[in-house]
Amino acid sequence: ETGVTQSPTHLIKTRGQQVTLRCSSQSGHNTVSWYQQALGQGPQFIFQYYREEENGRGNFPPRFSGLQFPNYSSELNVNALELDDSALYLCASSLDMFPGGDTQYFGPGTRLTVL
Amino acid sequence: KQEVTQIPAALSVPEGENLVLNCSFTDSAIYNLQWFRQDPGKGLTSLLLIQSSQREQTSGRLNASLDKSSGRSTLYIAASQPGDSATYLCASLSLTGGGNKLTFGTGTQLKVEL
Repeated sequence: ETGVTQSPTHLIKTRGQQVTLRCSSQSGHNTVSWYQQALGQGPQFIFQYYREEENGRGNFPPRFSGLQFPNYSSELNVNALELDDSALYLCASSLDMFPGGDTQYFGPGTRLTVL
Repeated sequence: KQEVTQIPAALSVPEGENLVLNCSFTDSAIYNLQWFRQDPGKGLTSLLLIQSSQREQTSGRLNASLDKSSGRSTLYIAASQPGDSATYLCASLSLTGGGNKLTFGTGTQLKVEL
């Protein structure tokens, strides 16, 4: 039990729609990262937020966007869904953005299926 | 660009066997190396984290080593059990363009048979 929760557990959308995924981090964790995991692959870094500001982004188009709120919750928004967006979306929280041993705690993920 | 590779992709062993999972990475400028476990359709559970200044970490039947100079890490599982069946992922942590980014391998799918 990592203390990181995600909702919903599963979601089915159609191509072109928009989706919002939610994550609740551990209390006091200022950093949240989002990852996309396609079937049979390792997770891919989407972006990271630190104290409500984006401070790192992977190779994902602008239709992937996010928000982080003061209450340690965050959102991942995906516009104009494509079939390839079907994946498990994972959020991970950590105490601070500085490296040096801070473990990232992962939530259980949201399984998104785009038809 | 960091690339992480895991070998083998899949492994099936009888219960009680000791086994080694391998992870290699191309950029040695990492802050730490982590091993995760993932059960089917589930999130990730952190098993071991090795700082860049460390050589190994141990937790119970698990031992992970890190050799930055050669870009390699291994996860040793002693006396494997059916409950160890899962996918094991290694990930390196690096600071790139802002933010702490984990770069994952594609995992080793382990099956421990009775």
